[in-house]
Amino acid sequence: GQNIDQPTEMTATEGAIVQINCTYQTSGFNGLFWYQQHAGEAPTFLSYNVLDGLEEKGRFSSFLSRSKGYSYLLLKELQMKDSASYLCAVRGSYNTDKLIFGTGTRLQVFP
Amino acid sequence: DTEVTQTPKHLVMGMTNKKSLKCEQHMGHRAMYWYKQKAKKPPELMFVYSYEKLSINESVPSRFSPECPNSSLLNLHLHALQPEDSALYLCASSQDRNYEQYFGPGTRLTVT
Repeated sequence: GQNIDQPTEMTATEGAIVQINCTYQTSGFNGLFWYQQHAGEAPTFLSYNVLDGLEEKGRFSSFLSRSKGYSYLLLKELQMKDSASYLCAVRGSYNTDKLIFGTGTRLQVFP
Repeated sequence: DTEVTQTPKHLVMGMTNKKSLKCEQHMGHRAMYWYKQKAKKPPELMFVYSYEKLSINESVPSRFSPECPNSSLLNLHLHALQPEDSALYLCASSQDRNYEQYFGPGTRLTVT
């Protein structure tokens, strides 16, 4: 079967660092995506990992370990506007159009 | 132009109505997608068009009918919907099947 797990909710303080974990069990793997979604809005693309290691993009970094079926999204210097849901999505195999989404992690940032 | 546009933003329709959702992108993307999203749930894939041909239909009921008139446009025709079809309908596009998907703002659909 296909399964992607993320914590349902997390809270953090402005200026802090937060790590959102994602574990997956899929029949194949060809890439993992992180999306940010504010309430009532569309998801926006944050990062893509297909090889093991860390990808850094400004305040956001994403890590992948394929052998462990594990990824995390690291958000540094948190701002109030980072309060949103964060969706982990896996592409199960090469040359497929389908992304399998996790249920998302709702992050609340407090002052 | 780096965006996906969708119209209308909001739609209220009765169960006997026929309506259409529209999606447009001018990024030269060759894959386009329809998703349905319920509150506090992740997007669920409905249909994928790749190079203007339907490549995935996720067992969606026939009351939803997709159409891809050209490489920039994607429509979703709605007929005889049920109240449980009320949701946010998201369109997305990607350069090709192995690239990240960019989402439009969605159409908030309410079926009465």
